[in-house]
Amino acid sequence: AQRVTQPEKLLSVFKGAPVELKCNYSYSGSPELFWYVQYSRQRLQLLLRHISRESIKGFTADLNKGETSFHLKKPFAQEEDSAMYYCALRPHGNTGKLIFGQGTTLQVKP
Amino acid sequence: EADIYQTPRYLVIGTGKKITLECSQTMGHDKMYWYQQDPGMELHLIHYSYGVNSTEKGDLSSESTVSRIRTEHFPLTLESARPSHTSQYLCASSEETGQRLNTEAFFGQGTRLTVV
Repeated sequence: AQRVTQPEKLLSVFKGAPVELKCNYSYSGSPELFWYVQYSRQRLQLLLRHISRESIKGFTADLNKGETSFHLKKPFAQEEDSAMYYCALRPHGNTGKLIFGQGTTLQVKP
Repeated sequence: EADIYQTPRYLVIGTGKKITLECSQTMGHDKMYWYQQDPGMELHLIHYSYGVNSTEKGDLSSESTVSRIRTEHFPLTLESARPSHTSQYLCASSEETGQRLNTEAFFGQGTRLTVV
């Protein structure tokens, strides 16, 4: 079955601390993986995708096929990073449709 | 400005009423989607469309229906609303250019539906 799991509903850290939001997936083929973010009172938007291997707002995520994970990391959290983060999987060959995890609320305290 | 719009943002309606949630995009995208999200839960795809006159059911069964008569418009209809339909509904669009780097989904602000 195709599934995305984000084990933490809430992650609370202090400003300047490292952050890791966990994401595990279940998929038999080669998926595309994404992180979407929703800031307070804003719409859901793409943060980054594994295929471009980019760093956005200091966040990076590495696809680990052996562990079927795509954890989101940032070395030094900022207060403006506080938001809801969703990990999503796009099955290979399945254009456009996304399978989302339950989301993790990141709270960065001053 | 290219964008994706959903109306209304909030809707409280009585059981048995017919409702239509509007979604329009000015991004020129062929592909459009409806996701349903219950509080604290993941988004589930309920409908999608790859172009005019193309609609398919998503992974989560839904009593709603959709239509795609124009590229930019993808409304969702509930013929008879029930309390179990209370949820947030998110519309999205994307463009497939043949390059995997461009498969970003753009979301609307969502419609929060409450059926009493």
